[in-house]
Amino acid sequence: SAVISQKPSRDICQRGTSLTIQCQVDSQVTMMFWYRQQPGQSLTLIATANQGSEATYESGFVIDKFPISRPNLTFSTLTVSNMSPEDSSIYLCSGLDVHSGNTIYFGEGSWLTVV
Amino acid sequence: GENVEQHPSTLSVQEGDSAVIKCTYSDSASNYFPWYKQELGKRPQLIIDIRSNVGEKKDQRIAVTLNKTAKHFSLHITETQPEDSAVYFCAATLVSGGYQKVTFGIGTKLQVIP
Repeated sequence: SAVISQKPSRDICQRGTSLTIQCQVDSQVTMMFWYRQQPGQSLTLIATANQGSEATYESGFVIDKFPISRPNLTFSTLTVSNMSPEDSSIYLCSGLDVHSGNTIYFGEGSWLTVV
Repeated sequence: GENVEQHPSTLSVQEGDSAVIKCTYSDSASNYFPWYKQELGKRPQLIIDIRSNVGEKKDQRIAVTLNKTAKHFSLHITETQPEDSAVYFCAATLVSGGYQKVTFGIGTKLQVIP
């Protein structure tokens, strides 16, 4: 299966600040995605990270709040901007492994608490 | 867009009994259906998947069935063990060329009572 690493694993952030999460995948991954999982909830797709171009955002998520970069095939970042307590959540990087029949694998997640 | 409904939301079974989780989907074009297990504080892990050209797939104590006509699929866990306790998510995926869209169910919290 694909190897997906993300950091930080956990952080406590002040209201109004921004935090960038980094995600590194191995070469088997083609597509990369960012998900949000609020406590006790399901997985909600934020956006698809496109290499060298703007990410494709899902309804309810905008670039100003969640800027995403993917400068190359194996690296992406998600920034949570101007954070509020409602942004407290787990943010998961994921990748599509073309060698495993297009299965999606997840990183360990970044637990953000906004105070 | 795709809509995936999953039930039950919580399920308690005695150790050794079977557990069944059911999902329905709305988009007949969806063609790949993975199941994920998420233990507390950990990432979702793929446990089994099925593609639209297959009706059933089994891996040891875990099996998945798919009824394309009715647009529903189910996860079956036999001889449950305490370590099966976790949240399970179903997903319906549309895979077409270089495009993929995954929609997750709300999750089922399974508790196996020793």
